[in-house]
Amino acid sequence: DGGITQSPKYLFRKEGQNVTLSCEQNLNHDAMYWYRQDPGQGLRLIYYSQIVNDFQKGDIAEGYSVSREKKESFPLTVTSAQKNPTAFYLCATLGRTGNTEAFFGQGTRLTVV
Amino acid sequence: SQQGEEDPQALSIQEGENATMNCSYKTSINNLQWYRQNSGRGLVHLILIRSNEREKHSGRLRVTLDTSKKSSSLLITASRAADTASYFCAPSGGGTSYGKLTFGQGTILTVHP
Repeated sequence: DGGITQSPKYLFRKEGQNVTLSCEQNLNHDAMYWYRQDPGQGLRLIYYSQIVNDFQKGDIAEGYSVSREKKESFPLTVTSAQKNPTAFYLCATLGRTGNTEAFFGQGTRLTVV
Repeated sequence: SQQGEEDPQALSIQEGENATMNCSYKTSINNLQWYRQNSGRGLVHLILIRSNEREKHSGRLRVTLDTSKKSSSLLITASRAADTASYFCAPSGGGTSYGKLTFGQGTILTVHP
């Protein structure tokens, strides 16, 4: 938790639809990250942002889009181009560079129906 | 990125026993962090060890770092059923930019009562 709110906790999407996952933080952290986690697997980085109005692709950005219009918010859109979107999505923040820890939200579980 | 690789992939022990997990990485680091993830939840920061430290303790946790071998270990002593979780390491290069924050596959620890 630690001041990071992901919503909704569960989300169902029909094939061909875009859906947006919310990540809001009140920690005043600069950097925000989105990860995808499949059952029994590790975290794979989708997108990250180090500052408002700027973001970079992670390792699996295809089929996803993000925006960073406010420091507090980093929404992730799962587009219809993402062929296998069913997964657990985690948002994280990092307060400053150097020796510091990351804080994670509680995740959103997305299921395609 | 500074992705770590955890070993073993899975570990099953009895309550009261010690659990040791290892992490290897490939490039120079500024610090290395360990995180825990309970099923269906976000990651929680456990401990951070800096590159100039060789060992660090926090409660029942003991972390070692060998920069010459590019490896770290996490020891949980006198394990409890509540320690059942996935454990991830995150080596970090630090510096003046946030950069990628990546994780490996993790070690799934099961502690049997």
